[in-house]
Amino acid sequence: QKEVEQNSGPLSVPEGAIASLNCTYSDRGSQSFFWYRQYSGKSPELIMFIYSNGDKEDGRFTAQLNKASQYVSLLIRDSQPSDSATYLCAVSGGGADGLTFGKGTHLIIQP
Amino acid sequence: SQTIHQWPATLVQPVGSPLSLECTVEGTSNPNLYWYRQAAGRGLQLLFYSVGIGQISSEVPQNLSASRPQDRQFILSSKKLLLSDSGFYLCAWSYNSGYEQYFGPGTRLTVT
Repeated sequence: QKEVEQNSGPLSVPEGAIASLNCTYSDRGSQSFFWYRQYSGKSPELIMFIYSNGDKEDGRFTAQLNKASQYVSLLIRDSQPSDSATYLCAVSGGGADGLTFGKGTHLIIQP
Repeated sequence: SQTIHQWPATLVQPVGSPLSLECTVEGTSNPNLYWYRQAAGRGLQLLFYSVGIGQISSEVPQNLSASRPQDRQFILSSKKLLLSDSGFYLCAWSYNSGYEQYFGPGTRLTVT
């Protein structure tokens, strides 16, 4: 049974600070890792994906992967109130059944 | 660019009634297609996936079924809805297995 664990939150971060979201996964054979943002009542939107150990940066977002620790994180720099949402971590083993999602972390950016 | 459509956006149906939700993808060919359900306050549950026309795999035994009559069309159906079928139904596509998935706008279903 593949599992993806996230702290449900809410995680409250002041505007302008760095928000750090974490995720662990159970399947050591996982190959691809994704972060989605979901606003209340809306569908998930892909933010980042990472395949290799280390950091991957895209604008204010940085994804970090540590396969040895089975750990993925998302950093959001200069947090804005518009970043307030639920962030879903997803993992793939490469199979046709697609991604296994965590239940998400609710992030609140306080003005 | 690729676009994914779902309809209807919202639906209220009585228990025991049938269901048909439709999903179409534009701008790509032979995508992998997926149906998920997200119940209130819960995670995404994969219901069905398809790697090609007429090829459907089910992840969870239930009273729902899926079909893929055309390359870029994916349909979720039920003959008789249960109260527990209420939720946010999301269709997604990907280029291939293991790649990122892109979600449609979703259908919010309430069974009364």
